[in-house]
Amino acid sequence: AQSVSQHNHHVILSEAASLELGCNYSYGGTVNLFWYVQYPGQHLQLLLKYFSGDPLVKGIKGFEAEFIKSKFSFNLRKPSVQWSDTAEYFCAVNAADNAGNMLTFGGGTRLMVKP
Amino acid sequence: DAGVTQSPTHLIKTRGQHVTLRCSPISGHKSVSWYQQVLGQGPQFIFQYYEKEERGRGNFPDRFSARQFPNYSSELNVNALLLGDSALYLCASSHSGTSGGTQYFGPGTRLTVL
Repeated sequence: AQSVSQHNHHVILSEAASLELGCNYSYGGTVNLFWYVQYPGQHLQLLLKYFSGDPLVKGIKGFEAEFIKSKFSFNLRKPSVQWSDTAEYFCAVNAADNAGNMLTFGGGTRLMVKP
Repeated sequence: DAGVTQSPTHLIKTRGQHVTLRCSPISGHKSVSWYQQVLGQGPQFIFQYYEKEERGRGNFPDRFSARQFPNYSSELNVNALLLGDSALYLCASSHSGTSGGTQYFGPGTRLTVL
């Protein structure tokens, strides 16, 4: 079974600061990787995903993530955050060899951006 | 196009009661998954249905059951409610039922068990 760890539970940044949120997973096989975001009062939305190919993936709103297979990591980055990035961020994985599409989520990181 | 819709938005029940939550997937999506999100935690997988067949089941007791209808909508049923069942229940749909399918989430149903 797979598991996901997000090391930072709460992050507070000032606008224009750079962001990096950590995500590590545990699974011996090939995985698909996702970052979802939940803005206050809204539902989970997909930020970006990695299935294969270039390990550096770009998503919406200027976010990117890098898959480092040797470290079992898929960290989320943004060079300059905005107040509107205040939200909770979830890393998720599913096993590529699974017949279904069950997602295993990390515990989430709550980001607060101060104006 | 409409996204994933769920009903009701909020629900309050007492211990021992039964609850039914409903989900309508994005048009054309044949897979529906259910997740439980307890306050302060990430969503936890409960069930996946694809083409009306159960494709996956998470580590939840038999009090939890689900089904998918011919129009691909789905119901999640929880019997003998416990206080610990209080959570946000999320439904997600995808076109593909396999691991390569991106899931799109609905707004959730907030269940409170008193």
